[in-house]
Amino acid sequence: AQSVTQPDIHITVSEGASLELRCNYSYGATPYLFWYVQSPGQGLQLLLKYFSGDTLVQGIKGFEAEFKRSQSSFNLRKPSVHWSDAAEYFCAVATDSWGKFQFGAGTQVVVTP
Amino acid sequence: DTGVSQDPRHKITKRGQNVTFRCDPISEHNRLYWYRQTLGQGPEFLTYFQNEAQLEKSRLLSDRFSAERPKGSFSTLEIQRTEQGDSAMYLCASSPLEPMEAFFGQGTRLTVV
Repeated sequence: AQSVTQPDIHITVSEGASLELRCNYSYGATPYLFWYVQSPGQGLQLLLKYFSGDTLVQGIKGFEAEFKRSQSSFNLRKPSVHWSDAAEYFCAVATDSWGKFQFGAGTQVVVTP
Repeated sequence: DTGVSQDPRHKITKRGQNVTFRCDPISEHNRLYWYRQTLGQGPEFLTYFQNEAQLEKSRLLSDRFSAERPKGSFSTLEIQRTEQGDSAMYLCASSPLEPMEAFFGQGTRLTVV
């Protein structure tokens, strides 16, 4: 069955430390890959996306993600987190070009002083 | 603000009542999506429009749910005879044909009491 897995439900990180959020997918072919961020009571904001080409993609707010075909992964990273990065992060995949997304369950990020 | 707009932001209704939500997409976007998000979960796909045509409906969308997008502009999502299990955040998103990139509204939070 097709699936998107975010293994970490909750991550706590100190301000200024690095952050990595994991995402694994299970599809027959390489899907379109996305990371979204959701702050409390808000909609989802696109951080970055991967369709093809360079497997390291840069996004907004200093985030980057790396696609690894061999591991069916699309992990999100940030070298130094800011308190404003506290939010819930969703990995999403689309298996065709018209944009029906399947989302992971999300990872809640807490940033401590 | 030219983003995706949803109205109302919050709705409390009694079980058995009908409710209708509105979504105004980004004006040049052909594609419009509805998703439902429950607490602690990622959004789940409900339905998709390309212009005025409803091209796919999820099995999550029971007969009590209906969505329309007259003239390919705004969209409405109606839930008839609401049940407590319908309590969720209803998210609308829109996307251009190319590149495929969904922009989400802030959502309508429905509480059925």
